[in-house]
Amino acid sequence: EAGVTQFPSHSVIEKGQTVTLRCDPISGHDNLYWYRRVMGKEIKFLLHFVKESKQDESGMPNNRFLAERTGGTYSTLKVQPAELEDSGVYFCASSQNPGGDGYTFGSGTRLTVV
Amino acid sequence: RKEVEQDPGPFNVPEGATVAFNCTYSNSASQSFFWYRQDCRKEPKLLMSVYSSGNEDGRFTAQLNRASQYISLLIRDSKLSDSATYLCVVTPGGYNKLIFGAGTRLAVHP
Repeated sequence: EAGVTQFPSHSVIEKGQTVTLRCDPISGHDNLYWYRRVMGKEIKFLLHFVKESKQDESGMPNNRFLAERTGGTYSTLKVQPAELEDSGVYFCASSQNPGGDGYTFGSGTRLTVV
Repeated sequence: RKEVEQDPGPFNVPEGATVAFNCTYSNSASQSFFWYRQDCRKEPKLLMSVYSSGNEDGRFTAQLNRASQYISLLIRDSKLSDSATYLCVVTPGGYNKLIFGAGTRLAVHP
């Protein structure tokens, strides 16, 4: 079974530019989550999709972040315009059923804004 | 106050040692509890779920005390391969998201 795939694995962009991160969940997993870890801090929840619907987006830091999940399959997370404090590792996870024991995380996208 | 608090470590122990990690959580309505493991520059991976009755998986034992809002992880007979960051994770009541602690770093040396 293929795991959760994220790309790019690394991205370095200048402040003010736009970056789009992509996540392909495990096939058949209705639940898709985005998390991020900024330097020196804990991993924090951003949002949760159930199929194509946003179930919980309480963790999205501001309106520069836009997440979509087309047709309930892959998801994108766009940051526009990027700021220095957006640097960190962005993890995607998917699960068939909600609950922490069913999560599979992707290997993450390391974003550096300079 | 952070929702999940952990001692950041690092814990430097010799092979074969027993090491214990502690974690406290602030939301008494938290429903599920886990220990995840994260290797350097890798994604978090579930180590084990934590139940009120306590549970064991090989060399690993996890305990939950709901009254004290306290979770523990005990690793016996430490191996070099146990070197990693151990993340205490809870799910808040009514929500399907994970709340992570900042992690405790373990370094096992020969």
